[in-house]
Amino acid sequence: GDSVTQMEGPVTLSEEAFLTINCTYTATGYPSLFWYVQYPGEGLQLLLKATKADDKGSNKGFEATYRKETTSFHLEKGSVQVSDSAVYFCALMGTGNQFYFGTGTSLTVIP
Amino acid sequence: EAQVTQNPRYLITVTGKKLTVTCSQNMNHEYMSWYRQDPGLGLRQIYYSMNVEVTDKGDVPEGYKVSRKEKRNFPLILESPSPNQTSLYFCASSFDSYEQYFGPGTRLTVT
Repeated sequence: GDSVTQMEGPVTLSEEAFLTINCTYTATGYPSLFWYVQYPGEGLQLLLKATKADDKGSNKGFEATYRKETTSFHLEKGSVQVSDSAVYFCALMGTGNQFYFGTGTSLTVIP
Repeated sequence: EAQVTQNPRYLITVTGKKLTVTCSQNMNHEYMSWYRQDPGLGLRQIYYSMNVEVTDKGDVPEGYKVSRKEKRNFPLILESPSPNQTSLYFCASSFDSYEQYFGPGTRLTVT
């Protein structure tokens, strides 16, 4: 069945460091891919999405490219800030609009 | 204000006592969904609904029921709760199933 595997955390970075959180997926057909972010005590918010191969999603300095050949959707940001501290979830929407989320990666950015 | 509301936010109950967690959205969204979030497991989809009177099982539907009699409401019913259903539950809604708006969460403890 469909599934998402993402890099385990926690990840701790200094402010202005480069961020990569790896995400790979298994799916039949052509899923849509997402990154969601969860700030402490809140529900998830959509960060970015890509609906077909080679699409690049971007928002708030974060980027991820839908790579069909490597079944990956890695999240990157060139310079993280303290306010980026949160838990990041990779997700896919598969056949029939069913969603599958990864286990989440906790990011802490220290000044 | 556009929002997804859930009630109650916190609930402690005993094994076997039926309970309902309500979810309501004011955005006229067609797609609604329930998830549970557990440490190390991320979010797992319980049930989802593409429209009124249309519901589908997600990844972990056992022990749960839902109904979608009105577009704005999507209650989650636990007919006979068990301790393994202790979790953090999120309701979400979406216009087109791509960008989901999440509620604040319901923390359920079953003793």
